[in-house]
Amino acid sequence: GNSVTQMEGPVTLSEEAFLTINCTYTATGYPSLFWYVQYPGEGLQLLLKATKADDKGSNKGFEATYRKETTSFHLEKGSVQVSDSAVYFCALSGGAGNFNKFYFGSGTKLNVKP
Amino acid sequence: NAGVTQTPKFQVLKTGQSMTLQCAQDMNHNSMYWYRQDPGMGLRLIYYSASEGTTDKGEVPNGYNVSRLNKREFSLRLESAAPSQTSVYFCASSAIDSTGREAFFGQGTRLTVV
Repeated sequence: GNSVTQMEGPVTLSEEAFLTINCTYTATGYPSLFWYVQYPGEGLQLLLKATKADDKGSNKGFEATYRKETTSFHLEKGSVQVSDSAVYFCALSGGAGNFNKFYFGSGTKLNVKP
Repeated sequence: NAGVTQTPKFQVLKTGQSMTLQCAQDMNHNSMYWYRQDPGMGLRLIYYSASEGTTDKGEVPNGYNVSRLNKREFSLRLESAAPSQTSVYFCASSAIDSTGREAFFGQGTRLTVV
C-alpha cells in the first residue's frame, strides 16, 4: 500500500545552518508529493508541492525535488531561521487507485536556536 | 477567506458522553477528511468523503461516525467517548482534479476525554 517515511526528530540546528529532512515514499503510479508545516497550536499549512517526476517545489527558501528513481522528496533549506521552528510533514496523494486519499509521514520537529 | 472552519476548538468530555465535531469549508471542494493527531504518530485518517453523499472508512474508524451533510459540511460524531479518543482532530478538504491538488486544514479541535 501507499506510505510515507520521514526522518525522526527532533532536529536541532543553529540559525543559518543548512537543513535537510529526508522523506521517502511507497506508491504505485505517479502520486503528487507535498510538504506541510505545522506551527504550535495550529493546523497544517502547505509549504510546497510537486506533481511529477523531477519537479522542484519551492517556497519561503525551502525546496524539495520529486525523485522517482529513489522515491524521495527531501526537504532542504540553505539557511534556517528561528521562525522556521515547527513540525514538518511529508505527504502524498493520488497515484494508481488512490485518487482521494492523502498519506502523511509521522512528522519531524525542527528546533532552530538563535 | 475562511477556508476550513472547525468547531469547537477545545472540548473536555467525560467517558461515555457523546459529541459532534463540526467542519465546514467554503472552497467548493468535493473531498473532505477527518484526521486525528497523536504525539509521535503523525496524522491518521478516520473517515473521508470523496463527494457529497459518500463516506468511507480510513485507518482508524472505530468509535466514530460521520455525516456529509452537504457539499460544505462534514461532521464527526463520537457516540460514547473513551480516554483513547483524547487527541487533536483535524478536518481537511481538497478539490478533485487529476494532479497537483492539496489538502487544506482547519485549526483543529483539541479533545480531552476524562
